[in-house]
Amino acid sequence: GAVVSQHPSRVICKSGTSVKIECRSLDFQATTMFWYRQFPKQSLMLMATSNEGSKATYEQGVEKDKFLINHASLTLSTLTVTSAHPEDSSFYICSPRDTVRDTEAFFGQGTRLTVV
Amino acid sequence: AQKITQTQPGMFVQEKEAVTLDCTYDTSDPSYGLFWYKQPSSGEMIFLIYQGSYDQQNATEGRYSLNFQKARKSANLVISASQLGDSAMYFCAMREGDSSYKLIFGSGTRLLVRP
Repeated sequence: GAVVSQHPSRVICKSGTSVKIECRSLDFQATTMFWYRQFPKQSLMLMATSNEGSKATYEQGVEKDKFLINHASLTLSTLTVTSAHPEDSSFYICSPRDTVRDTEAFFGQGTRLTVV
Repeated sequence: AQKITQTQPGMFVQEKEAVTLDCTYDTSDPSYGLFWYKQPSSGEMIFLIYQGSYDQQNATEGRYSLNFQKARKSANLVISASQLGDSAMYFCAMREGDSSYKLIFGSGTRLLVRP
């Protein structure tokens, strides 16, 4: 499968601070990046879709000013959780789209965010 | 309406036996893809198997097979010869044929393999 690197794997931050999560596709170029959120014992929910060089599209109920997405290159996308609050504590996972191998969707290792 | 439904929150299976995890879906798009992923406690998403809506045969990957019943809109995962390492969450997901390419996930089934 494709190599997707997501960093950090775990982060603990204080309320009110911002956290940046990076996602890199190491062996393919990703024009599209999906960001998912997973609360404990729940499923993955799509937060937003970003396309390289353009603004991200956010799903209903996801605050774009709180979850800033930057997709400046074909191999790197970042999600910044701004002014984090305890309710933002969750598992965040990226999924870059590989247009060649479309019978499999690839995921990063995920980032477990805890806001204290 | 739920697009992907997994009705079994939890399942038990005896080691070395087969188990079927249910998944039904809802779409009016004639072109779609169905995926199964395994998520162990580490959180990583491990791809298991894929079935395209136009595929004539049921997909198989090693001990995993997909029982695809298009008219019933079901895509059940069959795991044969269960192993202790199969204990994990299992998610069914669908990608519709629009240009978005996003996946919609079911609620998941937690499988526990008993020794």
